Amino acid sequence: GAGVSQSPSNKVTEKGKDVELRCDPISGHTALYWYRQRLGQGLEFLIYFQGNSAPDKSGLPSDRFSAERTGESVSTLTIQRTQQEDSAVYLCASSSPRGFSTDTQYFGPGTRLTVL
Amino acid sequence: AQSVTQLDSHVSVSEGTPVLLRCNYSSSYSPSLFWYVQHPNKGLQLLLKYTSAATLVKGINGFEAEFKKSETSFHLTKPSAHMSDAAEYFCVVRGYSSASKIIFGSGTRLSIRP
Repeated sequence: GAGVSQSPSNKVTEKGKDVELRCDPISGHTALYWYRQRLGQGLEFLIYFQGNSAPDKSGLPSDRFSAERTGESVSTLTIQRTQQEDSAVYLCASSSPRGFSTDTQYFGPGTRLTVL
Repeated sequence: AQSVTQLDSHVSVSEGTPVLLRCNYSSSYSPSLFWYVQHPNKGLQLLLKYTSAATLVKGINGFEAEFKKSETSFHLTKPSAHMSDAAEYFCVVRGYSSASKIIFGSGTRLSIRP
């Protein structure tokens, strides 16, 4: 079946502009995660959606970052007034939690964001 | 609170020799532990995960990892490296519930010499 997809694959924007990144999880997966990966670094947790529960936004670095998810489908990550330090690869993952911490995450290919 | 430390940012081995990628964790509760691999220009892929059923976990592509509670370690090994193993490897720790935060290590880049 189809995996996690993300769009666009690459985005170049100017400082100060807003950007919207999209994630399509695997069908039926109730959990969705966003991460940021700066060049040469590990993944930084941003936000976690689980079904209809309130999202865990504890990883969002500033109020310029926000994310939405409608039901158990598509999610969008919005970055307002982009800064150069926002340049990174943004990764989305989904999983079908059974309530176990060992639930496997399936990652999308990422969106490479470059802020000039 | 959880944390994870990958002790080497870069490991280089010759093809056909053993691979050892080191990972230490810190967790208030019994953690769940994972290793993911990221090949250049490809998405992250799960290699293996510790589910508490067995301390020695076998994964894909001949990799395995041993959970050692006394040493708070979860090192990744492979008896014989292949050129296709060259990639970035991430050790990941998670708390005891599916709502717990997932913490990624900073990654270890594995290079394979011919």
